[in-house]
Amino acid sequence: QSVLTQPPSVSGAPGQRVTISCTGSSSNIGAGYDVHWYQQVPGTAPKLLIHSNKNRPSGVPDRFSGSKSGSSASLAITGLQAEDEAEYYCQSFDSSLSGSRVFGSGTQVTVL
Amino acid sequence: EVLLLESGGGLVKPGRSLRLSCAASGFVFSDYTMNWVRQGPGERLEWVASISSMSRYISYADSVRGRFSISRDNARNSLYLQMNSLRAEDTGTYYCARDPLSASWLDHWGRGTLVTVSS
Repeated sequence: QSVLTQPPSVSGAPGQRVTISCTGSSSNIGAGYDVHWYQQVPGTAPKLLIHSNKNRPSGVPDRFSGSKSGSSASLAITGLQAEDEAEYYCQSFDSSLSGSRVFGSGTQVTVL
Repeated sequence: EVLLLESGGGLVKPGRSLRLSCAASGFVFSDYTMNWVRQGPGERLEWVASISSMSRYISYADSVRGRFSISRDNARNSLYLQMNSLRAEDTGTYYCARDPLSASWLDHWGRGTLVTVSS
């Protein structure tokens, strides 16, 4: 069972906006730890998409945006494109688990 | 360009050992905390272990503590994961990943190496 909970799947038509939630608790996101997001295309390594809740690394399109509130965080993809079809994971730190980075359960984004 | 290249994966019987390596290039390896993250077939990402730049701070996931050992050789720009007493549930792709600020996000990942534990 994942410490961070995400919806198993979300879908949208090209050009639409989709959001992915990441729900944690008082020992991770709610404790003030930052949330980071990764994109993983099947058969490839994860790629950093958003760090520190809302910051995009160089080269990540501004269609991707992140936010955090309380014990939850969200990733939004606007202007959905076929190339955005992938698995998305949130990640934070959990003080109840020794040394631990924790990942979300993952969300499959399907472009209809 | 930052490059991380894992090696050492393969098929191993339960209870046996395996040592993974990660060769780093394109950055000052000794400046960064490094991590191992794994992913079982069709499963989510799971953080495995972390080691600080000078090996002072090391941490493990509960699922591997006491069986796995992370180490690094800064002179060789290399990261290692010694895996002992392997179990079927350790099967998966193992990635090495760089942490730019220690206990933060993972900004560069290798392509991974596949470990299969089966009799």
